Amino acid sequence: QSALTQPPSVSGSPGQSVTISCTGTSSDVGSYNRVSWFQQSPGTAPKLMIYEVSNRPSGVPDRFSGSKSGNTASLTISGLQAEDEADFYCSSYTRTGTYVFGTGTKVTVL
Amino acid sequence: QVQLVQSGAEVREPGASVKVSCKASGYTFTVYYINWVRQAPGQGLEWMGWINPNSGGTNYAQKFQGRVTMTRDTSISTAYMELSRLTSDDTAVYFCARGTSTGRFDPWGQGTLVTVSS
Repeated sequence: QSALTQPPSVSGSPGQSVTISCTGTSSDVGSYNRVSWFQQSPGTAPKLMIYEVSNRPSGVPDRFSGSKSGNTASLTISGLQAEDEADFYCSSYTRTGTYVFGTGTKVTVL
Repeated sequence: QVQLVQSGAEVREPGASVKVSCKASGYTFTVYYINWVRQAPGQGLEWMGWINPNSGGTNYAQKFQGRVTMTRDTSISTAYMELSRLTSDDTAVYFCARGTSTGRFDPWGQGTLVTVSS
């Protein structure tokens, strides 16, 4: 199972919006609404930001939103803040009952 | 509160095995899956497999089949991940994460650093 494809980095100024893509195949992202997004700061465990494509756990700001079209899922951060600077990973359920993560994207706040 | 607490850092020689524990608290242990994910230094996240604490059923990533064993002890709400025939490529931080059938991994344990070195 190959990793889902994410851009290595994205950046934006405070207040701007950035979008991270997560491209898989018809065997994972394209077939299941079981896409999650995680934020990871250096030296810490990942934190769930979005689950089931577009649902936010309690406590996650509504600046974070998720969507999916075909084999590509996306995470959008609106109103970018300095505290959003971190690595972001997507994950998806696959047709073999396993999970696969994305390659990871570093978000930089300029 | 819901919490997963993992065992401490380990150092192993190549060819050895390591067993990492993940103790759950704050919820009914048998209701949620436990997933194991690892992260090599400077690299991304890699899903290893899950265990259903209720049945003991497992599903491993193909890459680790034959080398990983996930078990649980429901009497102490603890899951275990054992990895055998270690090489230097297995040096990583190993995380456990509570999971649902829809891939909702939350929360995560604090991570356990496993170093493989002679």
